Order: sequence, then C-alpha cells, then structure tokens
Amino acid sequence: EAGVAQSPRYKIIEKRQSVAFWCNPISGHATLYWYQQILGQGPKLLIQFQNNGVVDDSQLPKDRFSAERLKGVDSTLKIQPAKLEDSAVYLCASSGGTSIRTDTQYFGPGTRLTVL
Amino acid sequence: QQPVQSPQAVILREGEDAVINCSSSKALYSVHWYRQKHGEAPVFLMILLKGGEQKGHEKISASFNEKKQQSSLYLTASQLSYSGTYFCGTERLVRRGGSEKLVFGKGTKLTVNP
Repeated sequence: EAGVAQSPRYKIIEKRQSVAFWCNPISGHATLYWYQQILGQGPKLLIQFQNNGVVDDSQLPKDRFSAERLKGVDSTLKIQPAKLEDSAVYLCASSGGTSIRTDTQYFGPGTRLTVL
Repeated sequence: QQPVQSPQAVILREGEDAVINCSSSKALYSVHWYRQKHGEAPVFLMILLKGGEQKGHEKISASFNEKKQQSSLYLTASQLSYSGTYFCGTERLVRRGGSEKLVFGKGTKLTVNP
C-alpha cells in the first residue's frame, strides 16, 4: 500500500513570496490533516478535512494560509505571503475513518520550508 | 493546552529501560504515542483510550492514568532502533459535537548507544 505522498520535499523562498504544498493521501482515506512542525516542537494541527469538508481550521492563520481538498482526495496548502516564522516542516497525514480514537494517522515525509 | 513531556532527553545503552511521561492539565479522552526519527515522518505506536486497558507490543508498552491525566510509555531492553523523538498527542474531552483533534507535546529525544 502506497503511503502519503507530499511534494516538494524542500522549498526555500524569500519572505513575502508565495508557496504551495501538495499532498496525496493513502487511497480511500476519508480524513486528511495538515500539521506544522517547527524545529524542536511537536506537530501542530493547522486544518483537518473530512472528505472535502473542513472539520477544524481553528489554528490556521487565515490571513495568509489557505487549504483546499478538491474532490475529497488530494489537498494543497498555500502560504501567501510567507513570513520568517513560517519556516517549518509541513506534514500531511491521513486516516481511513473519521475518529481519531480508532483510526491511525499515517504521516507523509513532509515539506521542509525555509523562509529567508 | 499542550501536554508536557518528561524527560526532554534521555541517553541509554542498548538493553536498558526507559520511561517517558506525558501530562495534561485538562481531562483527556485519549493519548496517542508516535516515534519520529530524524528527517522522517512520525510513525504511530499506540492509542490509549479513557477507560481502556494498558497497551503494548513486544518491548514497548504504555499506560493511561485517567485520574492524573497522565500517560507513560515504557521501553524495555532498548534496541538501537528505538532511537528517535517520542511524541505524545492528547485528545481533550470536548463538548458534544466538538471536533476531535490531537495536541502534541514537544517530544522526548531518546538516544540508544551500543
């Protein structure tokens, strides 16, 4: 079974530029998560989708971050414009069901973003 | 509210045991444990639910003390492959209809030396 795919793996941009990350979850997985992991910290949930609907985006900085999951499969996360503090690894995860109590989250390899 | 993990780091020799703790100030429904090796994605270890039993497989097990809102991860007879950063993710008890989400601790870095 193929895992969660993410691209690009690395991205370096100047502050105020825009960037987009792509995630392809495990086939058939209904729930998709985007996390931000700053160096030395645990992952922080940015947004959670169930199929193509948003379940939780309470920690997404909506003035600069946006995400979509068209057709309930792939997802993109965009930052516009980027700030220095956005430097982090952006992790995508997916799970087969809709409850975190019973469904394992499978993480992708992440995209390491450096904002200069 | 982010859970607090302790210790922040631990160094072991192969074969030694370790305990990693995860504490929350809020009532929890579940605790999830992940291990992340440097430059890699976090990998799921186990979930402990409120009212559930202690979990474990092989030499890694965990417990969940609901009264103390604390979980402990036990690594027995550590192997070199156990090296990595261990994260606990906690799910708070939320109001009916509230979304379930994990809040991760800052992690415990475990190094196992030969």
